Order: sequence, then C-alpha cells, then structure tokens
Amino acid sequence: EAQVTQNPRYLITVTGKKLTVTCSQNMNHEYMSWYRQDPGLGLRQIYYSMNVEVTDKGDVPEGYKVSRKEKRNFPLILESPSPNQTSLYFCASSLSRGLAGSELSFEQYFGPGTRLTVT
Amino acid sequence: AQSVTQPDIHITVSEGASLELRCNYSYGATPYLFWYVQSPGQGLQLLLKYFSGDTLVQGIKGFEAEFKRSQSSFNLRKPSVHWSDAAEYFCAGGGYGGSQGNLIFGKGTKLSVKP
Repeated sequence: EAQVTQNPRYLITVTGKKLTVTCSQNMNHEYMSWYRQDPGLGLRQIYYSMNVEVTDKGDVPEGYKVSRKEKRNFPLILESPSPNQTSLYFCASSLSRGLAGSELSFEQYFGPGTRLTVT
Repeated sequence: AQSVTQPDIHITVSEGASLELRCNYSYGATPYLFWYVQSPGQGLQLLLKYFSGDTLVQGIKGFEAEFKRSQSSFNLRKPSVHWSDAAEYFCAGGGYGGSQGNLIFGKGTKLSVKP
C-alpha cells in the first residue's frame, strides 16, 4: 500500500531531551516536507526537501533539523526541544519532478501525524 | 508574495444543505491548487486538484471546485452536505518555478453540520 508513515504517533518528552521523528514513504517520491499544525495557525512548513541531499528551510525552521540521506526517509530532529514545540507534526511527500523532468505531480500525501508534547 | 487565504474560520450548515467554502489565492502566474480535508484526529486527505484545463474539477465524496482566474478564487462546493462531512478543510496552492512542489496552505475552515 502506498503510504507515508511517521513514528512515533504520540510522544511526551521533557525540555532539552533530543528526539527524532521518523518519516518514510514508499512511493519513490522526490519531494518531502515537514509541517506543524497549531490551532488557529493552520499548517506551517518547517523544512522541505526537493530531492536526496537537498533540503531547505520553510517558514518556521528554528529549533529543528532535517536530513535526506536517502529518498524514502526524511527524519525531523529536535536537538533541544522546548515547550513551544508542542504541536501536531505532519510529514508529506509528492512526486514533483524537477524542471527538466517530463512528469509533474505536486499533490502531497500526508502521514498520519505525530502528537508531540514537551513539558 | 504568494498566499492562500480562507476567509471563513468556521461554517455551520444543516445536513442536506448546499456548501461553499471560499479560497482566494495570490500568485503571479497560474497556480496549481488543491483542497484537502482533515477529519478529527486524522491526517490530511486530498479532495481534488487543479493544474490546468477545465476550470471545474470534480473530486471525491461528491465535492467540486471551480477555478476563477478573474476572482483569484478556487471555492469548494457540495450540493448536499452529509453529517460525515464535518471536518476541517484546507485550500493549498503552489506555483511553477524554482520551488515547484512547495505548497502554501490556508489556515483552514472548520465545517460543522447540524442535524
């Protein structure tokens, strides 16, 4: 089944304890992205990746790191979590060929979300 | 700057009534546009998409949307709402170019359905 998976689904942690949220897709998608969702603020992009080894900041990158060493995985790293990073996090992917590619497909497929609480 | 705006934060309709959720975009060229739905406790599911061509697009669950360039709008419609349509709806858009694939999301419209 084509899907985006995230782990863990729920996480409660303490301030300053490093954590990683994993994201994996099995659709051979080039593009991957992380969002956080907060009430009244909608979805805000944290980081995105157009392809392997290519990452870029979104709207709210402070306090987060990402890596894209292989096409299917795009982990989100919080080196020193703080309470203001308590949120619902979504990973997404899309096919998204580059300008030289013949196939363009930008619809994003979302993972089920990770509910993070930092105390 | 590119933007996607959903003017209505919360809408309540009666079951069986028609529905229209508004979405306005601001892009230099023709954007590609999407509507997503998020049921409580769930991820986002794609309802429909517009890239080019026919400005009226059909989606899943009986939804449709119309791209109106003159009004910079991409409103979502459904002729008869069911109680199971209660959810939050997000409009999203992107543009062709250097960062194509990146989407900008509106802040969402929460739909409540009265019996």
